[in-house]
Amino acid sequence: QVTLRESGPALVNPTQTLTLTCTFSGLSLTTGGVCVNWVRQPPGKALEWLAFIDWDDNKSYSPSLRTRLTISKDTSKNQVVLIMTDMDPVDTATYFCARNMMTTGAFDIWGQGTMVTVSS
Amino acid sequence: QTVVTQEPSFSVSPGETVTLTCGLSSGSVSADEYPTWYQQTPGQTPRALIYNTNTRSSGVPDRFSGSILGNKAALTITGAQAEDDSDYYCALYMGYVNWVFGGGTKLTVL
Repeated sequence: QVTLRESGPALVNPTQTLTLTCTFSGLSLTTGGVCVNWVRQPPGKALEWLAFIDWDDNKSYSPSLRTRLTISKDTSKNQVVLIMTDMDPVDTATYFCARNMMTTGAFDIWGQGTMVTVSS
Repeated sequence: QTVVTQEPSFSVSPGETVTLTCGLSSGSVSADEYPTWYQQTPGQTPRALIYNTNTRSSGVPDRFSGSILGNKAALTITGAQAEDDSDYYCALYMGYVNWVFGGGTKLTVL
């Protein structure tokens, strides 16, 4: 069974840097075709794709947030980390990590999400 | 900037058929954008329903179908049921790697 779980601070001050960790089991980011993405959802609003990393360490970011995002993986810990700099109250959202396979594209397995509030 | 458009809301009676659409602020949607549809009930994580335009994910009832209608992607629910009362999001692949979600459609079944 594949599971993903997000972790990170629930509250961040404006201008601070946010670090989120996605810890997964039942999948390996060394297996060809496996990808992990970050998606966020502000309260009552739509989903927004943020970043992607694949088994071969290829990475990609939302064009509108590219300058603020860094994604990385630690295959020995089965983790993917997302760093977002210069946090603002508009970044208040639930942050999800989700798996997709290159063969289908769909984000087929999601973590439960972690709520991050940006406020002083 | 790419904007993916969806109807903000839709209402349907149980047993009726409803088609939700997913378009682009400029241009047409085709299979090249690998339209993907997600269902999300309040407080829950999204669930992938349809990928690659018209392929149902494992376990998804066959009353859900995907297609291209004109210049938009479409999600059709044939014989809507009460449990289909949810938010529906489409996502389009706008190049390597750039997924763009639509604003979502709130579907009410009553």
